[in-house]
Amino acid sequence: GESVGLHLPTLSVQEGDNSIINCAYSNSASDYFIWYKQESGKGPQFIIDIRSNMDKRQGQRVTVLLNKTVKHLSLQIAATQPGDSAVYFCALHDAGGSQGNLIFGKGTKLSVKP
Amino acid sequence: GAVVSQHPSRVICKSGTSVKIECRSLDFQATTMFWYRQFPKQSLMLMATSNEGSKATYEQGVEKDKFLINHASLTLSTLTVTSAHPEDSSFYICSAGGGYEQYFGPGTRLTVT
Repeated sequence: GESVGLHLPTLSVQEGDNSIINCAYSNSASDYFIWYKQESGKGPQFIIDIRSNMDKRQGQRVTVLLNKTVKHLSLQIAATQPGDSAVYFCALHDAGGSQGNLIFGKGTKLSVKP
Repeated sequence: GAVVSQHPSRVICKSGTSVKIECRSLDFQATTMFWYRQFPKQSLMLMATSNEGSKATYEQGVEKDKFLINHASLTLSTLTVTSAHPEDSSFYICSAGGGYEQYFGPGTRLTVT
C-alpha cells in the first residue's frame, strides 16, 4: 500500500529563521501533493499544494519543492514566526484510491522559540 | 468560501451508547465527504468515503456496522459511532469535496468513558 513518511518528527527553530520540513512518499503515480498545518485541537489547514508537473511552487513565506526522482517533498517556511508553531502534514492524492482521497504523512511538530 | 463545519466540537459519552457527529458544507454542495480519525500525536487515517445518496465506502479494517455513515443531502454527512467503547475515543475530522480540493472541518473530540 501507499505510505507517506517524514524524515523529522520534531523540529525546533528560532524565531526569524527558516524552517524546512521534509516528506518522502512511495507511490510514483501520485499527481498532487499538499501541505497542511494543524494546530492543537483543530482540523488541518491548507498551506500550499503542488502538482506533479511542477518542481517548485511559492506562496506567501512558504515554498514547496517536489523531487519526483527521489519521491521527496519539502516545505520551506521563511522567517518562521511563533504563529507557525503547529504540526505539519504532507498529503498526497491517492490516484488509486476511492474518489480522490488523500493519504497523510506522519506529521512534523514545528516549535518556534521566541 | 468553502467552509466545513462539524457538530459537536466535543462530546463525552458512556461506554455502550451511540453518538452522532455531523459534517456540513456551509457554502457549497459536496457529493463526496470523507471521514478521518486521528489518535493523539498521530496522523489522519481515512475511515470512509461518504457519497450523497449511496452507501459509504469503508477503508479496510473499519467496521461499517460500528461507524454508520449517512450522506442524505449535498451539504450534510453524519457519522454515528454505535456502542462506543473507550478505544473509540479519538478526534474525528471530516472533509468535503474530492479530487484535488478537499476542505476540512474543525474536528470533533470524542471521549468515551
